[in-house]
Amino acid sequence: SQTIHQWPATLVQPVGSPLSLECTVEGTSNPNLYWYRQAAGRGLQLLFYSVGIGQISSEVPQNLSASRPQDRQFILSSKKLLLSDSGFYLCASPSVAPNYGYTFGSGTRLTVV
Amino acid sequence: AQSVTQPDIHITVSEGASLELRCNYSYGATPYLFWYVQSPGQGLQLLLKYFSGDTLVQGIKGFEAEFKRSQSSFNLRKPSVHWSDAAEYFCAVASSSNTGKLIFGQGTTLQVKP
Repeated sequence: SQTIHQWPATLVQPVGSPLSLECTVEGTSNPNLYWYRQAAGRGLQLLFYSVGIGQISSEVPQNLSASRPQDRQFILSSKKLLLSDSGFYLCASPSVAPNYGYTFGSGTRLTVV
Repeated sequence: AQSVTQPDIHITVSEGASLELRCNYSYGATPYLFWYVQSPGQGLQLLLKYFSGDTLVQGIKGFEAEFKRSQSSFNLRKPSVHWSDAAEYFCAVASSSNTGKLIFGQGTTLQVKP
């Protein structure tokens, strides 16, 4: 079955520091991959999606960037964090048959101080 | 582009009462629809999904949802709410294109009174 690994689980970073969150997928090849953010008291917002290596689409203008250096690796980055980057970040991918749906990682809770 | 609206930000029901959470979607093609639940500090759990076929979908924990194409709705229901159902509920619609983007509504927070 498909599994998504995300790390770290929790992160506290000062304003202006860089960020790198990693997501890796097991159990499938050439998956679509997505980064979501959930700000406190808010819904889940799609930030980026990727349909293949090196292919990144941004859904909203923001301080973050994404990269997909390998088939099953999706990285979320920032050169300088803002307070508004705080939130819960989830990586996701469509589930493989027969489940059909979406598999989510366990998430990273980022607090920018 | 697809979008999802959950009109109710916060709902409070008494334990044992029935529940209906509303969800309206916008999508030009046949939608793939989902309901997820998120307990405080936790990740997402899939309650149920609709791809095609029977418009009344049964899920886990006694939840069900009905797809109504004419109303562009996919409302979630439960006949009798338990205190453990208190959580945040998200409706989502997925694109059937190759991007497969999953777009969420803003969520409904359910509070259960004893």
